Amino acid sequence: DTGVSQDPRHKITKRGQNVTFRCDPISEHNRLYWYRQTLGQGPEFLTYFQNEAQLEKSRLLSDRFSAERPKGSFSTLEIQRTEQGDSAMYLCASSSRPIPANYGYTFGSGTRLTVV
Amino acid sequence: QKEVEQNSGPLSVPEGAIASLNCTYSDRGSQSFFWYRQYSGKSPELIMSIYSNGDKEDGRFTAQLNKASQYVSLLIRDSQPSDSATYLCASGGGTSYGKLTFGQGTILTVHP
Repeated sequence: DTGVSQDPRHKITKRGQNVTFRCDPISEHNRLYWYRQTLGQGPEFLTYFQNEAQLEKSRLLSDRFSAERPKGSFSTLEIQRTEQGDSAMYLCASSSRPIPANYGYTFGSGTRLTVV
Repeated sequence: QKEVEQNSGPLSVPEGAIASLNCTYSDRGSQSFFWYRQYSGKSPELIMSIYSNGDKEDGRFTAQLNKASQYVSLLIRDSQPSDSATYLCASGGGTSYGKLTFGQGTILTVHP
């Protein structure tokens, strides 16, 4: 168990291109979260999965964003037609506790996206 | 009004001093509160959690919670240059699925 793993660590893309990020949660963690953090701000919640079900989505997650968690294991976050405003750190976290907000959780190393 | 607000900083303290970081929250349904430390270019690292009114101490760190005033603080005693980082306050619990709401962070610099 090496913690939450995210790939890639860095991604530079041209505006208008599609990008996909991957998150591998800690083994057997059924809860998985995606956050976005822009420069000078705290992380903002994007979406939450319990097993394979996406149970909550932020209004920040426009129709250009889609997240999946097939088979309740790893998760992917795809951004279509990227815009410069999508430049941010994308963070993933996982938890197995029934009420994770009572205990906090550990983030992965993040994926830094730069849209040029 | 932001749901979680932190004093804007940046905060600069000399080595060995006490650093005091403050946070207020607006959602009275919040049940749990966290402090994360984030070094430049790295992801946030959980350093303290607190759920009940009062103080909670862990080494050089003390978290304080006052639910009546909707106020959370973090004290760092004997500050070290290695404590220089951005400190993020977060709230959670209530009806959420474990979503955390973060403040914007306070940059702390500890100078020798």
